[in-house]
Amino acid sequence: GEDVEQSLFLSVREGDSSVINCTYTDSSSTYLYWYKQEPGAGLQLLTYIFSNMDMKQDQRLTVLLNKKDKHLSLRIADTQTGDSAIYFCAPGTGGFKTIFGAGTRLFVKA
Amino acid sequence: DAGVTQSPTHLIKTRGQQVTLRCSPKSGHDTVSWYQQALGQGPQFIFQYYEEEERQRGNFPDRFSGHQYPNYSSELNVNALLLGDSALYLCASSLGGANTGELFFGEGSRLTVL
Repeated sequence: GEDVEQSLFLSVREGDSSVINCTYTDSSSTYLYWYKQEPGAGLQLLTYIFSNMDMKQDQRLTVLLNKKDKHLSLRIADTQTGDSAIYFCAPGTGGFKTIFGAGTRLFVKA
Repeated sequence: DAGVTQSPTHLIKTRGQQVTLRCSPKSGHDTVSWYQQALGQGPQFIFQYYEEEERQRGNFPDRFSGHQYPNYSSELNVNALLLGDSALYLCASSLGGANTGELFFGEGSRLTVL
């Protein structure tokens, strides 16, 4: 079956880097997404990587993909208090089913 | 440009009742997916509608059913409600066909079953 695992909590100091890790089981995933959910708000796409890439950089965000090990990570450089949110790893098949992990709650201490 | 809108935002039902939740997709989107998000959990995929047909379905019982209208809006129906159906129900719209598959989420309908 399809499964997505991520650590539930991460706490960092403002200005440090945050790294959120994820493992998934569905090898047919063509897109690996990261969604962000702020308190009382809906989920928003943060970034994504296509399955034939191993790295993508987007301003403060770096996504690393190890397709062989089905391991995905999201690095946030210079983490700010406004980055405090829940981050969901979500493997998908580009327009079809997208599966979400339980989410990693990022706490940023000033 | 209106994003994804869902109604109602909150509702309370009792066990055994039936509920209908509604979703209007983002302008230009033709695909609607429904998710159930229990407290402290990630969204669980219920099903996806495209061209008025259920295209994909997650591991949810037949008590969960849906519909998509020609204007792409969608409904989620849940029959014979159980306490465990209490959750935030999220609607997400996207473009059908081969694309990045980015989902645009509404703010959800929070269902409480007593």
